[in-house]
Amino acid sequence: EPEVTQTPSHQVTQMGQEVILRCVPISNHLYFYWYRQILGQKVEFLVSFYNNEISEKSEIFDDQFSVERPDGSNFTLKIRSTKLEDSAMYFCASSGGLWDGYTFGSGTRLTVV
Amino acid sequence: AQSVTQLDSQVPVFEEAPVELRCNYSSSVSVYLFWYVQYPNQGLQLLLKYLSGSTLVKGINGFEAEFNKSQTSFHLRKPSVHISDTAEYFCAVSDRGNAGKSTFGDGTTLTVKP
Repeated sequence: EPEVTQTPSHQVTQMGQEVILRCVPISNHLYFYWYRQILGQKVEFLVSFYNNEISEKSEIFDDQFSVERPDGSNFTLKIRSTKLEDSAMYFCASSGGLWDGYTFGSGTRLTVV
Repeated sequence: AQSVTQLDSQVPVFEEAPVELRCNYSSSVSVYLFWYVQYPNQGLQLLLKYLSGSTLVKGINGFEAEFNKSQTSFHLRKPSVHISDTAEYFCAVSDRGNAGKSTFGDGTTLTVKP
């Protein structure tokens, strides 16, 4: 069964450093998403991406965040200057149609120290 | 804007017993509804979805859910659970006018005991 692959599984970074979280969505999917889950809290929407541009972004997704689909297969989330409160599990998801439901990756646990 | 309330944070149940995980939603527009399951150290996996048509939807692993528009609910059920069903379950809602964005509930931890 096709999978969404996320790397790395765990990343530790110092406050103020830039991080790039990587995702390889399912190859024939058209819609891509990033969600995050702070420990013990809800799964929160960050951003949706379609046709090489952002479709929607949440209030969390401020100027420190950016997404890119650089080569037609990878989908990346960049945090320019990490803060302690960015520590969370970040999930990439993709879907073939708007209402198909998501296929999630296993997540990247980001720890900012 | 929509919101999702999962009424039980933890549900312990014995193996082979039936289970219901409750989900209520709030939205000013028509919605699509989803249930996801998250096993330890894994991503979320789609269990089932309601888009339109029959209000009773069947998903993977023997789960089903019933959409009740008047009660704005989408409760998840399984007639007989297994130890392997132990996981976190998330209800999610998307409004029909939005580009696939989902709002998730807090999750319900289902623990199946032998």
